Amino acid sequence: DTGVSQNPRHKITKRGQNVTFRCDPISEHNRLYWYRQTLGQGPEFLTYFQNEAQLEKSRLLSDRFSAERPKGSFSTLEIQRTEQGDSAMYLCASSQDRVAGELFFGEGSRLTVL
Amino acid sequence: AQSVAQPEDQVNVAEGNPLTVKCTYSVSGNPYLFWYVQYPNRGLQFLLKYITGDNLVKGSYGFEAEFNKSQTSFHLKKPSALVSDSALYFCAVRDPNTGGFKTIFGAGTRLFVKA
Repeated sequence: DTGVSQNPRHKITKRGQNVTFRCDPISEHNRLYWYRQTLGQGPEFLTYFQNEAQLEKSRLLSDRFSAERPKGSFSTLEIQRTEQGDSAMYLCASSQDRVAGELFFGEGSRLTVL
Repeated sequence: AQSVAQPEDQVNVAEGNPLTVKCTYSVSGNPYLFWYVQYPNRGLQFLLKYITGDNLVKGSYGFEAEFNKSQTSFHLKKPSALVSDSALYFCAVRDPNTGGFKTIFGAGTRLFVKA
């Protein structure tokens, strides 16, 4: 059973550098989501895709953040000019194309900005 | 706008006793409600959901949840807690009428089951 895969699992970077995370969803899922989770908090919605279309973006997603899902398969989340406040766990999830469908999460990519 | 509240940061219960983890929600229409669990160093896992119908829904690992529309609550329950149930639990809501596919999560409740 191939679940949601995220890479890298951990990333340590210096402030001002760019980072990119990759998410490979469950193959038959056409919806893909990005969330951010900080210590002691629940996942905060960032954005989601239906196939290759980005349908909604949170106001949390500043112009330093960009997400893509070319060809409706894997997705990337890029953070430019990282800041210490970007340190968090970045979670990817996918779901079937049913409004009541539950989310299947990857194990997350932890970002530490020094 | 949809929102979820989990009023307890932590719930402590003895093994074998019943447990309840509380959740209240706010949406403009009829909600879809979910519970997820997060074990240490693991991704979030789906436990159960309420979409429509019977107010009591059953899920994985013996968990169940009761939907109460008048109280806008969706409390997670288990008749007999296990030490292995110790984890972080998240309630989540989706408003299909206004929120589309976006799922909003509560802040989480840490469940500690003592042997």
